[in-house]
Amino acid sequence: GAVVSQHPSWVICKSGTSVKIECRSLDFQATTMFWYRQFPKQSLMLMATSNEGSKATYEQGVEKDKFLINHASLTLSTLTVTSAHPEDSSFYICSAGSGTGPTEAFFGQGTRLTVV
Amino acid sequence: KQEVTQIPAALSVPEGENLVLNCSFTDSAIYNLQWFRQDPGKGLTSLLLIQSSQREQTSGRLNASLDKSSGRSTLYIAASQPGDSATYLCAVFDSSYKLIFGSGTRLLVRP
Repeated sequence: GAVVSQHPSWVICKSGTSVKIECRSLDFQATTMFWYRQFPKQSLMLMATSNEGSKATYEQGVEKDKFLINHASLTLSTLTVTSAHPEDSSFYICSAGSGTGPTEAFFGQGTRLTVV
Repeated sequence: KQEVTQIPAALSVPEGENLVLNCSFTDSAIYNLQWFRQDPGKGLTSLLLIQSSQREQTSGRLNASLDKSSGRSTLYIAASQPGDSATYLCAVFDSSYKLIFGSGTRLLVRP
């Protein structure tokens, strides 16, 4: 299957700072990438859909000014958590499809964010 | 709004048993359904993808079926092994072009 790489795999930051998470498709071009958030023992909740070259589409209840998404190329999308607070601590994971539309989704390894 | 439900939430079986995990979805207008495995603290590994026009897919000891009209899918695991212990997630790619996840089934296969 296609490979999606996410970096970093874990990060600890101080409250009030910003953290950037990268999601790369290594062996295919991803027009669309998705960002999810997962709380312990819960399922994945879609945060936003990231389209190359255009603004991300955020799900209801997700603050677009807090969770900045950039998809500048067909192989890279970034999620920046701005002014992080302890309640932002979570597991963030991205996915990408190898084509346009509803194709098979491949996921990165996830990023464990802890805000202290 | 599409909702995906997985039953049971948790399952513990002895090694060697065949088992079935269930997934149901409320809106049958889906493009595909995908089963994933997630190990603790890790990302998701795609197991099987079933297109909306398909009835089932098989990979090794895994077999997934799809009944789109009734909004159901099952994941069958044959001859379970301790290494199969993980959380299994199903997700549907629905008409809004979003991948919607169920809450998962935590599987423990006891040696």
